[in-house]
Amino acid sequence: AQSVTQPDIHITVSEGASLELRCNYSYGATPYLFWYVQSPGQGLQLLLKYFSGDTLVQGIKGFEAEFKRSQSSFNLRKPSVHWSDAAEYFCAVGGGSNYKLTFGKGTLLTVNP
Amino acid sequence: DSGVTQTPKHLITATGQRVTLRCSPRSGDLSVYWYQQSLDQGLQFLIQYYNGEERAKGNILERFSAQQFPDLHSELNLSSLELGDSALYFCASSVGFGQFTPQHFGDGTRLSIL
Repeated sequence: AQSVTQPDIHITVSEGASLELRCNYSYGATPYLFWYVQSPGQGLQLLLKYFSGDTLVQGIKGFEAEFKRSQSSFNLRKPSVHWSDAAEYFCAVGGGSNYKLTFGKGTLLTVNP
Repeated sequence: DSGVTQTPKHLITATGQRVTLRCSPRSGDLSVYWYQQSLDQGLQFLIQYYNGEERAKGNILERFSAQQFPDLHSELNLSSLELGDSALYFCASSVGFGQFTPQHFGDGTRLSIL
């Protein structure tokens, strides 16, 4: 069975600081990996995805993520956080014949001015 | 704007009642997925349809059912509602079947059971 662990429930950073959100997955084959962001009262917006190829993927809003197969990780990074980045971030894994996504519990990001 | 439309945005009802949530996928998307987001369970996959046919089932209760119509919109029916069914229900859509394409989510329907 596929699963996703986001070890950090809540992270607080200062505006302008760098950010790394952790994600570990469990999947028996080559995974399809995603990061989504959810602002209060909003749906989930796709930030970036990894299907194959280059293990460093670029997304929207200046985010990037690195796939490390040996560590079963897909951590999300941003070099300089903006106040508008405050939201909840979800890592998800998919694959197989049914294409369903399995989500982590999410990491809530607070940005201090 | 993801292009996925969900109605209504909010729904308040009582235990034992039945409700229908509606989803219109992005133009060109043939697959529709339903997810439930609650504080204790997080985001859970419920069910997937592709071009009118059910393709996958997740943690969907027997009291819940869904269908996808010829115009590709989908409805999620929840019956004999219980307090624990209070949650945010998301619909997502993707292009196809036979390859993994990203899912795009609507803004959700918030269901409150009183």
